[in-house]
Amino acid sequence: SSELTQDPAVSVALGQTVRITCQGDSLRNYFATWYQQKPGQAPLLVIYGKNNRPSGIPDRFSGSSSGNTASLTITGAQAEDEADYYCNSRDSSANRVVFGGGTKLTVL
Amino acid sequence: EVQLVQSGAEVKKPGESLRISCQTSGYSFTSFWITWVRQMPGKGLEWMGTIDPIDSYATYSPSFQGHVTFSADKSFTTAYLQWNSLGASDTAMYYCARISSTYYHSSLDYWGQGTLVTVSS
Repeated sequence: SSELTQDPAVSVALGQTVRITCQGDSLRNYFATWYQQKPGQAPLLVIYGKNNRPSGIPDRFSGSSSGNTASLTITGAQAEDEADYYCNSRDSSANRVVFGGGTKLTVL
Repeated sequence: EVQLVQSGAEVKKPGESLRISCQTSGYSFTSFWITWVRQMPGKGLEWMGTIDPIDSYATYSPSFQGHVTFSADKSFTTAYLQWNSLGASDTAMYYCARISSTYYHSSLDYWGQGTLVTVSS
């Protein structure tokens, strides 16, 4: 099965732009999905498909992809964006998924 | 409104059995797979496997195959995760989530609130 690699930690100054990346062979064929998880809460879907946001997710969150790397960009990071971010991708079977190890985002 | 509501926290001893539940509402239960995700204390998300509520066909991650069992009851629109013999390493938060899938992605679009399982002698 495929694996997804994320940087363990990233920091960004308040109001600046940050990119969180996710690498893996499956991303050459499938889009990454991105989740935000704050302490004590369940993960929350923030980006899916090519670059789609569920209702209620601010438009400062966007997704992109190139080759085997998917990126989640937060344009104008806010204090409330401080969280763990996970990517996932489907496998060759749509009912199998794989998660990245997660990136802890700190907003300075 | 789509909701996945999980059963409450459990404290068990090693060797005991356990079944936790994920009650769904607000959508057609048989139209979406349900997946289970483990999060050990301070760690990341791990995919455990997926069940198709139509026929209860389950696919397991190799890491969990043989140690857990998924089931689903269409009458109660509820999915279950079961252990026959718990170990201390099963201490974790367990999430159920609905999978929304196309050819290009499989996204867990709705999540339960999580069930904390603590296994300790």
